[in-house]
Amino acid sequence: DVKVTQSSRYLVKRTGEKVFLECVQDMDHENMFWYRQDPGLGLRLIYFSYDVKMKEKGDIPEGYSVSREKKERFSLILESASTNQTSMYLCASSPQGQGGNSPLHFGNGTRLTVT
Amino acid sequence: AQSVTQPDIHITVSEGASLELRCNYSYGATPYLFWYVQSPGQGLQLLLKYFSGDTLVQGIKGFEAEFKRSQSSFNLRKPSVHWSDAAEYFCAVGPPSGSARQLTFGSGTQLTVLP
Repeated sequence: DVKVTQSSRYLVKRTGEKVFLECVQDMDHENMFWYRQDPGLGLRLIYFSYDVKMKEKGDIPEGYSVSREKKERFSLILESASTNQTSMYLCASSPQGQGGNSPLHFGNGTRLTVT
Repeated sequence: AQSVTQPDIHITVSEGASLELRCNYSYGATPYLFWYVQSPGQGLQLLLKYFSGDTLVQGIKGFEAEFKRSQSSFNLRKPSVHWSDAAEYFCAVGPPSGSARQLTFGSGTQLTVLP
């Protein structure tokens, strides 16, 4: 069974802090994703990575960066956290080569509160 | 640009009753279509997917969905709802060719099941 593990379920940070959200998958998937989930807005893609050190901006990349130094690990970085980044963050992975039909495997999410 | 609409923000049904969750999409051709479920405190789990062929698709947990090209719809159904089906449901659309990053999610439908 595919396992996508997000290191924290809940995080509380202060405005201006640098925040790291970590995600690890154990299925050797090439693709990894970071989504943000807000009520009424569904899931919005922040960043996507299709290989080690390769990344693409999603729909809402402002205020975020990512790092993928190893295939299994994809980190989301908030350089200077702001209150409008309070949200649920979901990591996902999928195998490459299936284009738009790749079902995603999700982690359980990290609920981040910025005060 | 592709889009997905889930018209019902919240639906309440009694246990044992039938269920239909609506999903409408906008896309120039036949897209890949998905339904995901998110139980409380969990990430999203794939229920079923449609790529081509038979327009009635069977999924896990007794769910099915029907693709109707003429109505640009992909509604999710279950003949008899169980209390454990209480969750949030997301419809998603992806292009037949192209990057996995192009998956678009609807805003979700929250399902409450009454005893």
